Amino acid sequence: EAQVTQNPRYLITVTGKKLTVTCSQNMNHEYMSWYRQDPGLGLRQIYYSMNVEVTDKGDVPEGYKVSRKEKRNFPLILESPSPNQTSLYFCASSLSSNTGELFFGEGSRLTVL
Amino acid sequence: QKEVEQNSGPLSVPEGAIASLNCTYSDRGSQSFFWYRQYSGKSPELIMSIYSNGDKEDGRFTAQLNKASQYVSLLIRDSQPSDSATYLCAAPILTGGGNKLTFGTGTQLKVEL
Repeated sequence: EAQVTQNPRYLITVTGKKLTVTCSQNMNHEYMSWYRQDPGLGLRQIYYSMNVEVTDKGDVPEGYKVSRKEKRNFPLILESPSPNQTSLYFCASSLSSNTGELFFGEGSRLTVL
Repeated sequence: QKEVEQNSGPLSVPEGAIASLNCTYSDRGSQSFFWYRQYSGKSPELIMSIYSNGDKEDGRFTAQLNKASQYVSLLIRDSQPSDSATYLCAAPILTGGGNKLTFGTGTQLKVEL
């Protein structure tokens, strides 16, 4: 089954404790992206990757890091989480950056205390 | 002006009626447009894409594109309670880093029995 898998789905952590949200897709997609969704603000792009070893900042990259060492995986790293990073996070992938036909993971709800 | 703009709603329609969801975009050069449906607590799911002026029909859904007026709409015929969700409009918007898929904040649709 074609899917984008995120883990963990739910996480409560404390300020400053490093965490990683994993994302994996099994569709051989070149393009992957991370979004956060907050009430009234919609989906905002954090980082994206056009292919292996190619990543770039989105609209709200501050406080986040990513890596793309393998085509299927695109982890999101919060080196020192803060309460303003409490949000619902989505990983998405598509065949290429030229299409808006994204496949989304199920989401990761993160709370930073 | 927001790059992709939607009324947040909620838009309430009775079961069996036509629901009309509207979206405007700022980049006159945008060539492709996408409608995503997001149920509460779930991830966005692509339901329609449209690339040419005019109408595109898929079952009970019709996407309408008017590039001259820079708006795209989604009509849902014979609305069902299961259509109750938030509908996100998305379009590639030209930025300094190239075309970036940009989402509106979504319109909440409620189909009432």
